[in-house]
Amino acid sequence: DIQMTQSPSSLSASVGDRVTITCRASQSVSNFLNWYQQKPGKAPKVLIYAASSVQSGVPSRFSGSGSGTGFTLTISSLQPEDFATYYCQQTYRTPYTFGQGTNLEIK
Amino acid sequence: QVQLVQSGGGVVQSGRSLRLSCAASRFTFSSHGMHWVRQAPGKGLEWVTFISSDGSNEYYADSVKGRFTISRDNSKNTVYLQMNSLRVEDTSVYYCARDRSSGWYRLLDYWGQGTLVTVSS
Repeated sequence: DIQMTQSPSSLSASVGDRVTITCRASQSVSNFLNWYQQKPGKAPKVLIYAASSVQSGVPSRFSGSGSGTGFTLTISSLQPEDFATYYCQQTYRTPYTFGQGTNLEIK
Repeated sequence: QVQLVQSGGGVVQSGRSLRLSCAASRFTFSSHGMHWVRQAPGKGLEWVTFISSDGSNEYYADSVKGRFTISRDNSKNTVYLQMNSLRVEDTSVYYCARDRSSGWYRLLDYWGQGTLVTVSS
């Protein structure tokens, strides 16, 4: 199975900060890498697919980059509604594994 | 707007069975694969299974292989998850999700509301 490792596991930041979350795959997943946001008690919501494509309706402050084994999610200027848990997921090969999550908290 | 409405969760004893349903609407169900993803209390997301749009292909996580079966009825716009030989560690919120894919991407673009399955010992 392909292992997905996110860093950091948790992060404290302030409104207006620029934040970057990293996701590393144990083997190449090409660009079959998605990012999801999940708020407590809610279903996940896709933000970025194919490593760098922004899902329709997602604010432009969210961006993704990378290919192969290394990927990043960047939020250019944190807004209050962005405090949540973020997950990467590879959909290159089954099982379509998720990273362990990054909990983004208010500083 | 795409809708996925889940039903069928609850409390069940270890070793017993349960079937989850996910009713889809407002899109062409027979054109999309479907996934189930679960989340144990306080834990991260775990991909469980996928079924292709016509039901001809199924894939499973090792943790559920041989115990869980995904199926779909395109005439009813519904995907199912049959869970047999349930274990305490299967306790989770289960989500169904729509697959959107092409040659260069695959994502889970719409999700159900989630349903809690609690397996007691």
